[in-house]
Amino acid sequence: GDSVTQMEGPVTLSEEAFLTINCTYTATGYPSLFWYVQYPGEGLQLLLKATKADDKGSNKGFEATYRKETTSFHLEKGSVQVSDSAVYFCALSVPGSSNTGKLIFGQGTTLQVKP
Amino acid sequence: EAGVTQSPTHLIKTRGQQATLRCSPISGHTSVYWYQQALGLGLQFLLWYDEGEERNRGNFPPRFSGRQFPNYSSELNVNALELEDSALYLCASSLVGSGSYEQYFGPGTRLTVT
Repeated sequence: GDSVTQMEGPVTLSEEAFLTINCTYTATGYPSLFWYVQYPGEGLQLLLKATKADDKGSNKGFEATYRKETTSFHLEKGSVQVSDSAVYFCALSVPGSSNTGKLIFGQGTTLQVKP
Repeated sequence: EAGVTQSPTHLIKTRGQQATLRCSPISGHTSVYWYQQALGLGLQFLLWYDEGEERNRGNFPPRFSGRQFPNYSSELNVNALELEDSALYLCASSLVGSGSYEQYFGPGTRLTVT
């Protein structure tokens, strides 16, 4: 079935360090891929998305490239800030399948950035 | 533009009672989705409504139900509450429910069952 696997957290980095959060997926069709961020006590915010292979989503310095050959959608940022501390969720949606309409989420990765 | 709104922010109920959660989508969005975020279980899809109809349902018992109104707002009802229903319930909306359109989330309703 359709699923998403994220790297285990928590991830602790110093300010201005490079960030990578790994995400791999399994999908029966042609998924759209998303990264969401959840700040403490809040709902989810869409960070970026990609809808087809080799698409690169980017927003607020974060980037992720849809890699069909490796079924991956890793999140990267060149220089993290303390304000980036949050939980990051990778998710997929597969149009035209039994999972149509639903987002399937990874388990989430907690990022803590220290000054 | 106003985002997705949910009410109430917090809800405390006793086991066996019923809970009603409400959601208003972004203006122009016709699809509404409900998710449960329980501690240790991650984010689980509950229900999808589009144009007033239930389009898809997650692996939850029938005591989780809902509806969508003509103005596209939605209600989630949880009957016969159990302790394990304690969770953050998130509502999301999108333009259409094709799967390619991103979903925008509200702040959630924190349901506590005692």
